[in-house]
Amino acid sequence: QKEVEQDPGPLSVPEGAIVSLNCTYSNSAFQYFMWYRQYSRKGPELLMYTYSSGNKEDGRFTAQVDKSSKYISLFIRDSQPSDSATYLCAMTLNSGGYQKVTFGIGTKLQVIP
Amino acid sequence: DTEVTQTPKHLVMGMTNKKSLKCEQHMGHRAMYWYKQKAKKPPELMFVYSYEKLSINESVPSRFSPECPNSSLLNLHLHALQPEDSALYLCASTQGAGYTFGSGTRLTVV
Repeated sequence: QKEVEQDPGPLSVPEGAIVSLNCTYSNSAFQYFMWYRQYSRKGPELLMYTYSSGNKEDGRFTAQVDKSSKYISLFIRDSQPSDSATYLCAMTLNSGGYQKVTFGIGTKLQVIP
Repeated sequence: DTEVTQTPKHLVMGMTNKKSLKCEQHMGHRAMYWYKQKAKKPPELMFVYSYEKLSINESVPSRFSPECPNSSLLNLHLHALQPEDSALYLCASTQGAGYTFGSGTRLTVV
């Protein structure tokens, strides 16, 4: 079993739809939970990170963490064609003095105009 | 300045060449990383520098040689690479959680 599971998609939605992206994990020692957006041939861009269970909102994006279920989600409201990208979930734990990151495989999202 | 700058953006090199990738950040981050990313895969950690000291080497072949000249700069020296080393090479930095990635260098080995 992988430490972080993420559906690779692709996921196609019409413009304006609410998008739900999810990851599950098995290691209860993970401390920080992050979502990155990666456009084709570019580096990942940090969208949101959170430490505790609950919701965190930033504009059209909401990150949700449920530590009891080992499940994290990213919701995108009023999706736009410019949101078309690969979304990577990532989780960290402290390992030898640095934050070791484990990435999901990424979900490819396409928002159709 | 909230960016990690990587140069060059693209690099094509032969298997006998020596080249270097450069990474720069001025955010005061004390941890810097090299990652390798193949198509449709997540980034894979190669090296971690903490306070300018190499702290993690994820069993990377010696044809990749990292260097951290100062707290803002990170280099990756390449020598005698193989075609399978073709990938997007990403530099990242962090102070706490949440990495800031550069745009990467797309490397093609011919």
